[in-house]
Amino acid sequence: AQSVSQHNHHVILSEAASLELGCNYSYGGTVNLFWYVQYPGQHLQLLLKYFSGDPLVKGIKGFEAEFIKSKFSFNLRKPSVQWSDTAEYFCAVNVAGGGADGLTFGKGTHLIIQP
Amino acid sequence: AAGVIQSPRHLIKEKRETATLKCYPIPRHDTVYWYQQGPGQDPQFLISFYEKMQSDKGSIPDRFSAQQFSDYHSELNMSSLELGDSALYFCASGATSGNYNEQFFGPGTRLTVL
Repeated sequence: AQSVSQHNHHVILSEAASLELGCNYSYGGTVNLFWYVQYPGQHLQLLLKYFSGDPLVKGIKGFEAEFIKSKFSFNLRKPSVQWSDTAEYFCAVNVAGGGADGLTFGKGTHLIIQP
Repeated sequence: AAGVIQSPRHLIKEKRETATLKCYPIPRHDTVYWYQQGPGQDPQFLISFYEKMQSDKGSIPDRFSAQQFSDYHSELNMSSLELGDSALYFCASGATSGNYNEQFFGPGTRLTVL
């Protein structure tokens, strides 16, 4: 079974700072990778996804992530954060070609942006 | 654009009671997933259905059951409720094809067991 590890449980940054949230997964085969954001009291929204091809993927709200297969990593980045980026961020994975397989989530990173 | 609809949005039950949560997927989506998110926790996958057949099974308790109907909506039935079942229950839908199964999440049902 696959597993996901997010290294930073709480991150506090000032506006305009750069962001990088770590995500590593454990699985011997090919996976699909996702980053979701959850604003307080709201549902999960997809930020970006990687299925195949270019390992650098761009998502919504200026976020991007890079898949490094050799490191089993899929780190999320944003060059300049805003106060509105305050939220919980989840990295998730499922097996590629697995049909309707459920997602395995990391424990999440609580990001706080100070004005 | 149409989104995933879940009902009810909030539900309060007593211990040992039963509860039924409903999920209406995005039109033309054939797959439904159920997740449970406890307070301050990450979402845990419960079960999924593709074309009305159970597809994948996660950490769903034996007290819970689910099904997908001919119109693709799904219901999660929860019996003998326990205090620990208090959580946010998300449904997600997707159009399973090839290697891709992007999941679109609904707003969730917040279940409180007293």
